[in-house]
Amino acid sequence: DAGVIQSPRHEVTEMGQEVTLRCKPISGHNSLFWYRQTMMRGLELLIYFNNNVPIDDSGMPEDRFSAKMPNASFSTLKIQPSEPRDSAVYFCASSLKGSGGGPNEQYFGPGTRLTVT
Amino acid sequence: GENVGLHLPTLSVQEGDNSIINCAYSNSASDYFIWYKQESGKGPQFIIDIRSNMDKRQGQRVTVLLNKTVKHLSLQIAATQPGDSAVYFCAENRGSGGSNYKLTFGKGTLLTVNP
Repeated sequence: DAGVIQSPRHEVTEMGQEVTLRCKPISGHNSLFWYRQTMMRGLELLIYFNNNVPIDDSGMPEDRFSAKMPNASFSTLKIQPSEPRDSAVYFCASSLKGSGGGPNEQYFGPGTRLTVT
Repeated sequence: GENVGLHLPTLSVQEGDNSIINCAYSNSASDYFIWYKQESGKGPQFIIDIRSNMDKRQGQRVTVLLNKTVKHLSLQIAATQPGDSAVYFCAENRGSGGSNYKLTFGKGTLLTVNP
C-alpha cells in the first residue's frame, strides 16, 4: 500500500516567492497533519484537519502560511511570501481517528526539504 | 514549560547488543505515547505505541516500558542491527477531549550501531 505521498521532495526558492507543498494522505485516513522540522525547534505541528476540515491551526507561524484540504485525498501548504527562516523540512502525516475519539498513530510522508535563499 | 525530553542525545552500541533509549515526560495527564524512528532523509516511522493503562508492550525486537510514577518511557531494542541506526523520538499525547489528536515530540536520540 502506498504511504503518505508528498511533493516536491526538495524545493529551493528565493525570498519573496510563493511556495506550495502538496500531500496525499493514506487512503481511508480521515485526519491529516502538517509539521515542520528544524534542528532548533524539532517537530512542530502546524495544522490539523479532520474530515477535510481545519480543526487546529494554532501552530501556523503567521499569515504567510495557509493550508487547504479540498478533498480527502489532497492537501496543500502554501507560504506566500517565503522567507529564509521558513527553511525547514515539512512533513505531512495522516491517521485514522476512531469513533472512540482516542488518539492513534500518525503515519508520516517523506517530507519536503524547503530552502529559501 | 512542560516538555518531552530525552536523557541521552546520542547512544552508540555494538551490533548485537541491546539498546535502551529513554524519555522523560512531565505531563501526568498524558495518556498515549509513541516511539518513532527517523532515518536520514526520511520521515518519522512508527515503531510502537503504548497507552497509559499499560506499563509494557512488546513488538518485534522492541519493547516499550512506561513508568507513570516517575513519568518515564523507554524503548528497548533487542539484538541491535546496523539498520537500527537512526534518530528515535518519543511523542506524547497531552490533549484531552477535542484536542486529543495532538502529539508533542521530544528532541530525539541519535542511535549509532557499530558493526
